[in-house]
Amino acid sequence: GAVVSQHPSWVICKSGTSVKIECRSLDFQATTMFWYRQFPKQSLMLMATSNEGSKATYEQGVEKDKFLINHASLTLSTLTVTSAHPEDSSFYICSAHSRGWGYTFGSGTRLTVV
Amino acid sequence: DAKTTQPNSMESNEEEPVHLPCNHSTISGTDYIHWYRQLPSQGPEYVIHGLTSNVNNRMASLAIAEDRKSSTLILHRATLRDAAVYYCILANQAGTALIFGKGTTLSVSS
Repeated sequence: GAVVSQHPSWVICKSGTSVKIECRSLDFQATTMFWYRQFPKQSLMLMATSNEGSKATYEQGVEKDKFLINHASLTLSTLTVTSAHPEDSSFYICSAHSRGWGYTFGSGTRLTVV
Repeated sequence: DAKTTQPNSMESNEEEPVHLPCNHSTISGTDYIHWYRQLPSQGPEYVIHGLTSNVNNRMASLAIAEDRKSSTLILHRATLRDAAVYYCILANQAGTALIFGKGTTLSVSS
């Protein structure tokens, strides 16, 4: 089946630094990738939608200058959390969509900002 | 997006069947019914999806009401590894983002 690899699985960073999270579709080409954020005991919240080669579309309330999304190829999307602060600590999850495989999710990245 | 309504939580015993309900009274004709589940600290995992007819796969069965305003995910024999949050989501074929509700937290006891 389709596999989405997300790295790192966890990261601890200092306040004010930037963190990059990678999301790769391993055996299929994803026409669209999605980024979600999940706080403890809450559901997944959609942050942004990205298509290869074009700018990401951000959901209302998500700062595009803080959460930089790059979708350079049909198999790779990255999310960079810039100038991270403790309130950005969360579980970040990517998802890739293709016509053949539907929606496949990464295993998530636990970000802790100290 | 059409919304879904699920019970907050359900309990089951190991090796018993589990029926997880989902109401989606505003479903449109092109909406597929998707079910995903999420174990703690993991990304969501695909369970099953369907449009009009009942569907079966190795994980579960999906029973869809004739008017499509509700559906039921059936786990035939629950195991401890089935304890998770189960999400019922409507999505069309256009590949737009899946929007997650609160889901149903399933507890399984031995």
